[in-house]
Amino acid sequence: GAGVSQSPSNKVTEKGKDVELRCDPISGHTALYWYRQSLGQGLEFLIYFQGNSAPDKSGLPSDRFSAERTGGSVSTLTIQRTQQEDSAVYLCASSLSPSGGWYEQYFGPGTRLTVT
Amino acid sequence: DQQVKQNSPSLSVQEGRISILNCDYTNSMFDYFLWYKKYPAEGPTFLISISSIKDKNEDGRFTVFLNKSAKHLSLHIVPSQPGDSAVYFCAASGENSGGSNYKLTFGKGTLLTVNP
Repeated sequence: GAGVSQSPSNKVTEKGKDVELRCDPISGHTALYWYRQSLGQGLEFLIYFQGNSAPDKSGLPSDRFSAERTGGSVSTLTIQRTQQEDSAVYLCASSLSPSGGWYEQYFGPGTRLTVT
Repeated sequence: DQQVKQNSPSLSVQEGRISILNCDYTNSMFDYFLWYKKYPAEGPTFLISISSIKDKNEDGRFTVFLNKSAKHLSLHIVPSQPGDSAVYFCAASGENSGGSNYKLTFGKGTLLTVNP
């Protein structure tokens, strides 16, 4: 079956512009996660969606970052007024509901964002 | 404050020999540990995990060892194969609200190169 897909695969934007990154999770996965990997760093948790529950936004680095998940499926991560330090690979993952345990998170290929 | 540390950025081994990748953590609330493998231009893929109630978990050529008192885990690959060449990330989670372990904290990764 289809895995997690992300678009675009690469995005170059000018400092100060807004960008939207898209994630299509695996069908049937109720949990969705966003991470980012800056150069030379590990993956950093950004936000978690589970069903209709309020998302866990504790990893968002600033109020310029926001994310939505429409209809419990597709998610969009929006970065407003991009800064050069936002340059990173943004990874989306999905899983079955982790309630009461842990389920493997399946990652997409990521979107490489470069802010010039 | 890096809670999951992979102190070796790279490791090179000969085909057929053992690869040992190490990981240390500082947060005593972590109770579930995972290894992910990542090829270039792809998202990380889950490899193997271990719960804090165990000290060893084995899956084919891959074995993860956990030493809770030392807050240390390691991944052993034997025998190593050229196809194992990838970046290996150690990750950890602790129980979040609702009894689920969804928030992963990742190390910076170790690049393993297996030479034919």
